[in-house]
Amino acid sequence: DAGVIQSPRHEVTEMGQEVTLRCKPISGHNSLFWYRQTMMRGLELLIYFNNNVPIDDSGMPEDRFSAKMPNASFSTLKIQPSEPRDSAVYFCASSLRGNTEAFFGQGTRLTVV
Amino acid sequence: AQKVTQAQTEISVVEKEDVTLDCVYETRDTTYYLFWYKQPPSGELVFLIRRNSFDEQNEISGRYSWNFQKSTSSFNFTITASQVVDSAVYFCALSEAMTTDSWGKLQFGAGTQVVVTP
Repeated sequence: DAGVIQSPRHEVTEMGQEVTLRCKPISGHNSLFWYRQTMMRGLELLIYFNNNVPIDDSGMPEDRFSAKMPNASFSTLKIQPSEPRDSAVYFCASSLRGNTEAFFGQGTRLTVV
Repeated sequence: AQKVTQAQTEISVVEKEDVTLDCVYETRDTTYYLFWYKQPPSGELVFLIRRNSFDEQNEISGRYSWNFQKSTSSFNFTITASQVVDSAVYFCALSEAMTTDSWGKLQFGAGTQVVVTP
């Protein structure tokens, strides 16, 4: 199994630009999570999906952030417009079902200048 | 509300010493799950262990061992005979159980940086 695959691994963009992060979960996993990691706030859950349905997006910082999961094998996290404070490592994770162990992708390091 | 506290910010040891990482959690749920993850310098998050709230048996896996004590809401992690490759940030996490068809959010502690020097 290839594990959770995220792309791109690194992204540098200018303030105001749209950024799209991509995630392919492990095949057969029903839950998908988006996390953000910063020095100040640690690991924060942004949103999670179960069976492609968004369950809890209370962690999404503001309307500039949106996430979709059009099918079981793909999810996107979009930031529009991006701001320097969005700079962080964004992780995608998937699990067989909620409360089983979540497996993380290698993360996308986003830098907004 | 959930809360996971890892009071130790950084622990430095010399190779072959044992190191214990503390994790204290808060939850009102009677059913919940606890996890430990490792984040090496390369940055990925590696799953180490998952325990449910009904299983208080301690567990040993190679040089790793975990001590789950419900009475003190603690789930501590010990690395025996530490090695340089153990240098990483270790995260404790809590997930509350919902219905059997539902799911839980992983809430992470702030992490403990372990530095093992030769």
